[in-house]
Amino acid sequence: DQQVKQNSPSLSVQEGRISILNCDYTNSMFDYFLWYKKYPAEGPTFLISISSIKDKNEDGRFTVFLNKSAKHLSLHIVPSQPGDSAVYFCAASSSYSGAGSYQLTFGKGTKLSVIP
Amino acid sequence: DAGVIQSPRHEVTEMGQEVTLRCKPISGHDYLFWYRQTMMRGLELLIYFNNNVPIDDSGMPEDRFSAKMPNASFSTLKIQPSEPRDSAVYFCASSFKTVQGQPQHFGDGTRLSIL
Repeated sequence: DQQVKQNSPSLSVQEGRISILNCDYTNSMFDYFLWYKKYPAEGPTFLISISSIKDKNEDGRFTVFLNKSAKHLSLHIVPSQPGDSAVYFCAASSSYSGAGSYQLTFGKGTKLSVIP
Repeated sequence: DAGVIQSPRHEVTEMGQEVTLRCKPISGHDYLFWYRQTMMRGLELLIYFNNNVPIDDSGMPEDRFSAKMPNASFSTLKIQPSEPRDSAVYFCASSFKTVQGQPQHFGDGTRLSIL
């Protein structure tokens, strides 16, 4: 039972255009969400996060939007650059989990290819 | 500042052998996590520690898997005996406790192949 779903395994975008990566979750107890980026042969690296008390968080070219009613979040990258080509993972955690609130549940990832 | 260090980076061994994966977390981090990544199941949490104490090992697939954290700067994940279905990339991550959602910092992983 996947609690965090990234339904698009891959996405191709032209350099300079917007990349939109989507993530859906089923567990209504999730209240903190993170995006990680992963290059081949490296570990995932933290990109941006959002708390459920917000609906938007922005950091440079990266913006995460959260729609709690739809249990959906998205990562926007504007403008996309070839160096953004990587696998992007969505992750979620719940402060209601007690000792487990520091656990992250990951989606399976979306491979983004930015074409020069 | 050194990140999370994992060794070895690659391990190829025969079925039935004991495998030991090692992890050095970032200094000062009090949470340590072990993950396994496969094509079928993605990134799965196996076990995590807080202040060297195992908190949740419900993700450990079988008794063949065990993990220890003898001190704040070292952890091991052991598989004995290993099986071909254990082939995967194993990641270690660490984080501060301070607030929920504190980003976890990942090592570059160990690619394990069991023949």
